[in-house]
Amino acid sequence: GQQLNQSPQSMFIQEGEDVSMNCTSSSIFNTWLWYKQDPGEGPVLLIALYKAGELTSNGRLTAQFGITRKDSFLNISASIPSDVGIYFCAGQSGGSNYKLTFGKGTLLTVNP
Amino acid sequence: SQTIHQWPATLVQPVGSPLSLECTVEGTSNPNLYWYRQAAGRGLQLLFYSVGIGQISSEVPQNLSASRPQDRQFILSSKKLLLSDSGFYLCAAALASYNEQFFGPGTRLTVL
Repeated sequence: GQQLNQSPQSMFIQEGEDVSMNCTSSSIFNTWLWYKQDPGEGPVLLIALYKAGELTSNGRLTAQFGITRKDSFLNISASIPSDVGIYFCAGQSGGSNYKLTFGKGTLLTVNP
Repeated sequence: SQTIHQWPATLVQPVGSPLSLECTVEGTSNPNLYWYRQAAGRGLQLLFYSVGIGQISSEVPQNLSASRPQDRQFILSSKKLLLSDSGFYLCAAALASYNEQFFGPGTRLTVL
């Protein structure tokens, strides 16, 4: 089946630093989604990308849909303590009843 | 906007006991519905999805079953729980024409 390689697996940063994480796949995706999960809660959708090359921002978050349609990245600028959590990428390849393939997540820790 | 409810929030059950987890959706009609399990290793495993009332697709062979008795109700069940059924269960919904899935708050199941 399809797989998404998400990296890094974990990050430890200082408050105020910028963060970058990415997902790659050997398959082409039509949609890339980025979620954040706080401990003990369900994932929350941060950004949705639908076109190759698309660059979308949501506050301090910026995500891009790779030109090859096989990758995506998420950047967080000027991190704050509440950015702590697990970030997941997810892709959808079309014609699959809208099932998503999820990456394994990036655990972000922000030191105040 | 849609809201997804899950209950109970937490559950502790003995091995061999039955299980029923419920998910209901507000604010949308005819959604695609999904059940995921998230183990301690963080990844999201798709268990079941449904594109309509009474239509259930199973992704992995397991000790669980799902049912969709109403358009916005999705139930996860088991006749006899196993220790390996412990985990964090997430219900998600998506509009039939979109790929964006929205998650409920989750149910933490511990089987002892």
